[in-house]
Amino acid sequence: EAAVTQSPRNKVTVTGGNVTLSCRQTNSHNYMYWYRQDTGHGLRLIHYSYGAGNLQIGDVPDGYKATRTTQEDFFLLLELASPSQTSLYFCASSDAGTGEDTQYFGPGTRLLVL
Amino acid sequence: TQTVSQSDAHVTVFEGDSVELRCNYSYGGSIYLSWYIQHHGRGLQFLLKYYSGNPVVQGVNGFKAEFSKSDSSFHLRKASVHWSDSAVYFCAVSAPGGNNKLTFGQGTVLSVIP
Repeated sequence: EAAVTQSPRNKVTVTGGNVTLSCRQTNSHNYMYWYRQDTGHGLRLIHYSYGAGNLQIGDVPDGYKATRTTQEDFFLLLELASPSQTSLYFCASSDAGTGEDTQYFGPGTRLLVL
Repeated sequence: TQTVSQSDAHVTVFEGDSVELRCNYSYGGSIYLSWYIQHHGRGLQFLLKYYSGNPVVQGVNGFKAEFSKSDSSFHLRKASVHWSDSAVYFCAVSAPGGNNKLTFGQGTVLSVIP
């Protein structure tokens, strides 16, 4: 089973603060994803990537940047955090290829923006 | 663009009861469908997936789901639930060749009373 880890697990910042959420996967999957989870909305895709140096825009990208530095590492950046970005953030990874869209999720990072 | 709808926000049953969690989708072409489970405080875990062929898909822990093209549905069922099945269940859809991007429903909270 794929291993996906996230850090930090909890983070508190103030409005306007700078936050970086980290994700690492150790199964050499091509795709990595960042989601936010909010009550009533399920999971919403922020950004995703299909390899080092690649970035694709998701469904709710406003206010977020992301960078895929290596096959293993995918970072989500909030450069001017706002209270509306208080949420539970999940990273996931999946392999490439037809029918290989099963995603493996990390444990999540809970972010509070005051 | 594919969409997915889970009509029941909460389902409560007694241990040993059967349960059906409903999922309906809309998309004009070929589609992949999957179910994920999220236990409290954890990331999502893959349960099962329909890719092609037999419309009844068997998953882990006695779960199964049936794909129906005529009803645009992929309902999840279990014949006899255990208290440990209490969790949030997400239905997800993706399109073949669609860069492995999943669209999630809003989730159904299953509560099993011991």
